[in-house]
Amino acid sequence: DGGITQSPKYLFRKEGQNVTLSCEQNLNHDAMYWYRQDPGQGLRLIYYSQIVNDFQKGDIAEGYSVSREKKESFPLTVTSAQKNPTAFYLCASQRQGVRSEAFFGQGTRLTVV
Amino acid sequence: GNSVTQMEGPVTLSEEAFLTINCTYTATGYPSLFWYVQYPGEGLQLLLKATKADDKGSNKGFEATYRKETTSFHLEKGSVQVSDSAVYFCALSVNTGTASKLTFGTGTRLQVTL
Repeated sequence: DGGITQSPKYLFRKEGQNVTLSCEQNLNHDAMYWYRQDPGQGLRLIYYSQIVNDFQKGDIAEGYSVSREKKESFPLTVTSAQKNPTAFYLCASQRQGVRSEAFFGQGTRLTVV
Repeated sequence: GNSVTQMEGPVTLSEEAFLTINCTYTATGYPSLFWYVQYPGEGLQLLLKATKADDKGSNKGFEATYRKETTSFHLEKGSVQVSDSAVYFCALSVNTGTASKLTFGTGTRLQVTL
């Protein structure tokens, strides 16, 4: 089955540590996105990538980093510079073209302990 | 810039009531419009979409019509069920040169009671 997979589902991080969230898709989509969702809030765009080896900052990129070495993979690293990282993180992919919908993973809930 | 405005929730309805969730947008260019649904602890799922003016998207009893003249894409359902309780997001996608970019509203929580 084609889809988008995020792992892990739950992640705990100690303060001062970097952590990497995985996002893999087998839909052959060019575009991939990372969003952050806080309780009762909407989605805020962290980073997005339209093509391999290229990515752009979204609205809240500070304290995060990404890479796009393969079309299928778009990992997100939450660095120690992110002061309030506890949130629900969602990865999405989209076929190129404005008429296409985005497909979402099941999300990773990150908690700082 | 692009933006999506949704009515604030929560929206609380009794089962079999009529549902409307308002959504209006501003966009540079000609957007496609989407409604997504999020169940607790899960990612977003596409509910319906419309890609041009006057298109009506529909799925699982939900409908929304792309109104260019009022820049709106209101979600409706004639008779809600308890299982419809979720958060609903309105979104748009617009071309930005060689790429498209999604913009989401803040979401509207729907609670349906017996």
